[in-house]
Order: sequence, then C-alpha cells, then structure tokens
Amino acid sequence: QKEVEQDPGPLSVPEGAIVSLNCTYSNSAFQYFMWYRQYSRKGPELLMYTYSSGNKEDGRFTAQVDKSSKYISLFIRDSQPSDSATYLCAMSGMGGATNKLIFGTGTLLAVQP
Amino acid sequence: NAGVMQNPRHLVRRRGQEARLRCSPMKGHSHVYWYRQLPEEGLKFMVYLQKENIIDESGMPKERFSAEFPKEGPSILRIQQVVRGDSAAYFCASSPVGPANYGYTFGSGTRLTVV
Repeated sequence: QKEVEQDPGPLSVPEGAIVSLNCTYSNSAFQYFMWYRQYSRKGPELLMYTYSSGNKEDGRFTAQVDKSSKYISLFIRDSQPSDSATYLCAMSGMGGATNKLIFGTGTLLAVQP
Repeated sequence: NAGVMQNPRHLVRRRGQEARLRCSPMKGHSHVYWYRQLPEEGLKFMVYLQKENIIDESGMPKERFSAEFPKEGPSILRIQQVVRGDSAAYFCASSPVGPANYGYTFGSGTRLTVV
C-alpha cells in the first residue's frame, strides 16, 4: 500500500465547474499538507499549504484536511482553462532531520473552454 | 529575484556515461533537496543537503548516485554509468530554513534521457 494515494484521472470538466481533487494517506504522523500544481514540462508550484486539520481558502482554491479520516481535498471554484495541469498532493511531518515530502502520483485536470 | 535554477534543462546520455545535474538555490537559501519524477509516478525524495553537508540521503540509490552542495557554487547531482532506468525528470528545490514544513520552491527540472 502506498503511503499517499491519489486518483490519477484524467479529470475533464467544463469551464466554470467546481473541481474536487483528493488524496488519502496511511501515515498518521503526517502534520503538514500541501497541494502543488505542475504544468506540462515544468516544475511543481506550491498552491496551498495547511497544517493539521481544517480548511484554508485562497481565492478560488480551498484546501481541506480531515486527519481523522486521513483524507485531504483541494477544491477549485469557477475553474478556468488555465487551471489545466497536474495537481500533486504532498505531505510531511514525520519528524527527523529532513521532513521530506511524500507526494501522490498526481491528478491530471483538463478544463474545457 | 531568480528562482531555483537548474541546468541543463534537457540532457541526453548514452548508457555508461556520466550525468551531472546542477542546481542553484534561490538567493539566501542554504537548504537543497533533490527529487526524481519517473513517468506516471509522483516525485520521490532523493537527498537533502545543506552547504557542505549531506543531511539525509535515504532516497538515493546505493550505487552510482552521489550529491554535493559545496561552500561555493551550485549543488550537483551526479549519476555515474547511467542506465535506461535513470531516464526521468530530476527536480531540485530549496528553502531558507530546514526542515521545510511549509513546502519548497522547485526548479523547472532537468529531463535526463538515456539512450
């Protein structure tokens, strides 16, 4: 079983739709949760960062963390064609000197104009 | 304010050759992380370095791979005697303090193709 599971998609939605992206994880030691956006042939770009459980909103993006269910979500409101990219969830906080990020495999999102 | 700079962007090597990937962190950042992204997979941690120190290399293959971050100059990821399975995108990230719980800034990556 992978530490972080993410539906690879692809997910295709019409412009203006609400998009829901999700990850589940198995390690209860994770404390920090991130969402990255990666355009084709580019490096990952940090979108949202959340510590522990709860919600965080930034413009059209909302990140939710439910530690009791080991489940995190990213919602995109009023999706735009420019949101078309791969979305990667990442987690850390297992202690030690590194706190390396553990990534999901990414969900490919296509927003159709 | 340049971001994390990686070069080359694309690198083609024949089997058995050496590959050297370079990463210049953001200004003021002294912590560097290397990740590898294989096709259809997420990013996998390889190594975490501070200036002149390897802090965690638990994700590095035991043979042929090495990394350094000298006092002066960029961080280098070196792959000796490359094989086809080394073909991947290699990303470097940096942070001003570590460990970086809030996420890193990534570079655009080096895409290594072994032929």
